[in-house]
Amino acid sequence: GAVVSQHPSWVICKSGTSVKIECRSLDFQATTMFWYRQFPKQSLMLMATSNEGSKATYEQGVEKDKFLINHASLTLSTLTVTSAHPEDSSFYICSARDGRTGWTEAFFGQGTRLTVV
Amino acid sequence: AQSVAQPEDQVNVAEGNPLTVKCTYSVSGNPYLFWYVQYPNRGLQFLLKYITGDNLVKGSYGFEAEFNKSQTSFHLKKPSALVSDSALYFCAVRDIPGTASKLTFGTGTRLQVTL
Repeated sequence: GAVVSQHPSWVICKSGTSVKIECRSLDFQATTMFWYRQFPKQSLMLMATSNEGSKATYEQGVEKDKFLINHASLTLSTLTVTSAHPEDSSFYICSARDGRTGWTEAFFGQGTRLTVV
Repeated sequence: AQSVAQPEDQVNVAEGNPLTVKCTYSVSGNPYLFWYVQYPNRGLQFLLKYITGDNLVKGSYGFEAEFNKSQTSFHLKKPSALVSDSALYFCAVRDIPGTASKLTFGTGTRLQVTL
């Protein structure tokens, strides 16, 4: 299958600072990328969907000014958690799909564990 | 709105025995169905999918799943479980075959395979 690389795998930051998480498709072009948040022992919650070159579409209840998503190229999307607080601590996962090839499945990054102290 | 139900939080099975992880879905149109597996502190790995055609779908690591339209189910199965199969399994559905259509995940089922 296709490879999606997410970086960093884990990060610890101080409350009030911003953290950027990168998601790269290594061997395909990701026309669409998805960002999820996963709480302990829970399912994945979709935060936003981004199409290359367009503004992200955020799910209800997700603050777009807090979770900034950029999808400037067909191989890279970034999620920036701005002014992080301890309640933002979570596991963040990206996924990507190339809609032009007819692929039906999405491929996932390894996830980023964010801890805000 | 589409939804997925995984009725079991955990499934326990002895190594060598067959395993089944249950999934039922609800969509307005024809479903695209997926199974993913997650190991601790990792992202999700794609196992298999049903789009159309044969109701029995074979995937990675010896897993298979059977699509049953009348029961709106897509149960994951494996004839002989391995300890290394122990992980968290997610069923997901998508009902709009567009490039930006969203996956809806079930709550996950933890599979525990013991010796």
